[in-house]
Amino acid sequence: DSGVTQTPKHLITATGQRVTLRCSPRSGDLSVYWYQQSLDQGLQFLIQYYNGEERAKGNILERFSAQQFPDLHSELNLSSLELGDSALYFCASGTNPNSPLHFGNGTRLTVT
Amino acid sequence: GESVGLHLPTLSVQEGDNSIINCAYSNSASDYFIWYKQESGKGPQFIIDIRSNMDKRQGQRVTVLLNKTVKHLSLQIAATQPGDSAVYFCAEIRNSGYSTLTFGKGTMLLVSP
Repeated sequence: DSGVTQTPKHLITATGQRVTLRCSPRSGDLSVYWYQQSLDQGLQFLIQYYNGEERAKGNILERFSAQQFPDLHSELNLSSLELGDSALYFCASGTNPNSPLHFGNGTRLTVT
Repeated sequence: GESVGLHLPTLSVQEGDNSIINCAYSNSASDYFIWYKQESGKGPQFIIDIRSNMDKRQGQRVTVLLNKTVKHLSLQIAATQPGDSAVYFCAEIRNSGYSTLTFGKGTMLLVSP
């Protein structure tokens, strides 16, 4: 058990809808990272937060947004969903930039 | 189980053999490297890491080798077991203001009893 909790495990929704994915980092970790994993793209970095502030952005679409709350949990909001957004979404947390990230077990999003 | 990739390089070995998984990285400025293991239906799990001031690091049954000259990383698994079957990713830290972890495409390891 990595200590990173993601909910829900599975999410099925229709195109055009909006969903929110939730992540609780490991106790003591201030950084939260979101990654998208699809069959043909591998693990793609989306966005990073540190202690409530956005720190780095990767290949995140404008339809996607995230935030980290004062209790350090984070939410990833995906809107105007398209079929191509179907993927596994992972949250990871870390202590500092040069330490290993610990991943949750992901949320599988299926857009129909 | 869920597949994490349909077109991954695959390494098939017999139980008890040693496995070597290779990875090429692109950024010569990367200074920290990590190997992750991902089993079906789970998130990536940390295996071992190495910093750029080292060329070898050993863990329990695993060894990571770093060749900075040719930007190559390898993971050696001794006495491979069926439970080692998974997708293995190398990841590098690329310093770009704030460090972000960038993953390679992964290699699927299949261990036959």
